[in-house]
Amino acid sequence: DGGITQSPKYLFRKEGQNVTLSCEQNLNHDAMYWYRQDPGQGLRLIYYSQIVNDFQKGDIAEGYSVSREKKESFPLTVTSAQKNPTAFYLCASSASVRYTFGSGTRLTVV
Amino acid sequence: SQQGEEDPQALSIQEGENATMNCSYKTSINNLQWYRQNSGRGLVHLILIRSNEREKHSGRLRVTLDTSKKSSSLLITASRAADTASYFCATDTGGNEKLTFGTGTRLTIIP
Repeated sequence: DGGITQSPKYLFRKEGQNVTLSCEQNLNHDAMYWYRQDPGQGLRLIYYSQIVNDFQKGDIAEGYSVSREKKESFPLTVTSAQKNPTAFYLCASSASVRYTFGSGTRLTVV
Repeated sequence: SQQGEEDPQALSIQEGENATMNCSYKTSINNLQWYRQNSGRGLVHLILIRSNEREKHSGRLRVTLDTSKKSSSLLITASRAADTASYFCATDTGGNEKLTFGTGTRLTIIP
């Protein structure tokens, strides 16, 4: 089955700690995206990548970093510089304007 | 930035009734899409309408687009309990595939 997999489903971070969220797709899509969703809110774009070894900042990139070393993978690191990281993180991929989403990672600061 | 604003923010209807939700956006668009999100899950694509189209149907879904008013509506007919979810509109402006999402409408179907 082709799809996009996010892991872990739940993640807990201590203050001052960096954590990495995984996103893998086997859809052969060139473009991949990371969004943040706060309770009752819409999606805000963190970073996106339209091709391997290239990525651009979205609307709320501060405190986050990404890499795109392989077409299939687009990991997101939430750094200690992100002061309010508790949120639901969604990864998506696309070959056109129609996106396929993963099932999300819920990150909580403890 | 949020391109789209959905209206209403929340909607509760009886099973079998029709549900209508609206989306307004600010800039010229290439395409407008609607996605559904079940609680705690990812988004699922429902339907795409191009800027040169005015209406589109898919099963129980009907989408309209009025580019002069920068607005779209999603109609779900004969609602079912399984339609309970949040619904988001998303727009792109062409040139790249980056989507901007609205704030969503939370739909509850009462059995």
